[in-house]
Amino acid sequence: QVQLVESGGGLVKPGGSLRLSCAAPGLSFIDYDMSWIRQAPGKGLEWISYISSSGSPTIYYADSVKGRFTISRDNAKKSLSLQMNSLRVDDTAVYYCAIAAGTWWFDSWGQGTLVTVSS
Amino acid sequence: QSVLMQPPSVSAAPGQRVTISCSGTSSNIGNNYVSWYQQLPGTAPKVLIYDDNRRPSGIPDRFSGSKSGTSATLGIAGLQTGDEADYYCGTWDYSLSAVVFGGGTKLTVL
Repeated sequence: QVQLVESGGGLVKPGGSLRLSCAAPGLSFIDYDMSWIRQAPGKGLEWISYISSSGSPTIYYADSVKGRFTISRDNAKKSLSLQMNSLRVDDTAVYYCAIAAGTWWFDSWGQGTLVTVSS
Repeated sequence: QSVLMQPPSVSAAPGQRVTISCSGTSSNIGNNYVSWYQQLPGTAPKVLIYDDNRRPSGIPDRFSGSKSGTSATLGIAGLQTGDEADYYCGTWDYSLSAVVFGGGTKLTVL
């Protein structure tokens, strides 16, 4: 089983910023497309962003985060990031990173990191 | 309101079979593969089915997937108490250029 480890979550005020990271130390990271998916407390899954594996990556965002969140990756460090700006209360959620397989399914998931946006 | 529609809950007795439906449109299920995820309480989701009906290695054949038109179905046979979890369907929506999930179905094994 592939290990993905998220970090960077915490408490932030509305309007603030946070940067999440996802480490994949045992993975041939450069070969895999990646996504961020979140889950608000007691709610369902919400996909928020995707980045393709290499080259000039293809990137997608959900409308709910477009213009506020930026996904990036460092293949040399085997790391995925999510820069979150202009955070809102409704961004409060557990954020998961996941390997995105070719037909839009998610093969392996991290354990998640909790982001709480509150004043 | 989720793009893909699932029943909020289903229940069945141990040993029985249950199905969970996932309804969409031609923009998503009708023209893209569907995947299914199991989320046990307090844990990250785990894929059960991908490409409509394929199981990753390690997933027992008690779990099955099917699709017809703009609807997909997850079947779980020989229910066990350990199957109590939330189940989600997901797929790509080409009109939204986004992955969409169903709202989730809570399975109770009575």
